[in-house]
Amino acid sequence: EAQVTQNPRYLITVTGKKLTVTCSQNMNHEYMSWYRQDPGLGLRQIYYSMNVEVTDKGDVPEGYKVSRKEKRNFPLILESPSPNQTSLYFCASSLSLASYEQYFGPGTRLTVT
Amino acid sequence: AQKVTQAQTEISVVEKEDVTLDCVYETRDTTYYLFWYKQPPSGELVFLIRRNSFDEQNEISGRYSWNFQKSTSSFNFTITASQVVDSAVYFCALETSGGYQKVTFGTGTKLQVIP
Repeated sequence: EAQVTQNPRYLITVTGKKLTVTCSQNMNHEYMSWYRQDPGLGLRQIYYSMNVEVTDKGDVPEGYKVSRKEKRNFPLILESPSPNQTSLYFCASSLSLASYEQYFGPGTRLTVT
Repeated sequence: AQKVTQAQTEISVVEKEDVTLDCVYETRDTTYYLFWYKQPPSGELVFLIRRNSFDEQNEISGRYSWNFQKSTSSFNFTITASQVVDSAVYFCALETSGGYQKVTFGTGTKLQVIP
């Protein structure tokens, strides 16, 4: 089954404790992206990747890191999480370039206390 | 900079009514893509439609239709004869092909269809 998976689905952590949210897709998609969804703000793009070893900042990259060592995986790293990073995070992938429709993962609900 | 505005935060309609969700976008690029996604109460995001800037033809898919007007920078979405299953948050999104591949989403419109 074609899908985008994210882990964990729910995470409660404390300020400053490094964490990684994994994202994997099995569709051989070139483009992958991370978004955060906050009430009243819609989805905002954090980082995106057009292919292996090619990543770029979205609109809200501060406090986040990503890597794309393999085509299928695109982890989101929070080196020192802060409460303002409490949010719902979505990973997405598309065939190539963002001009194709994106397939979204199920979301990761992160709470930073 | 690009921007997507969904001015309707929440809309309530009675089942079987028609409803139109508005989307206005801003971009300086001449080549761009517009999307609509649906987020039902279960939380997943589902792709509905993609339209490129050179194709202004309206599209109909069952009860759903989309009206793309470059003159007013709008890409509106109409649901005909709404059903309870249409209750969701709907997002409009814009991607411009100016050498980078950022995607900008609107803030979403929450549609509630009352039985």
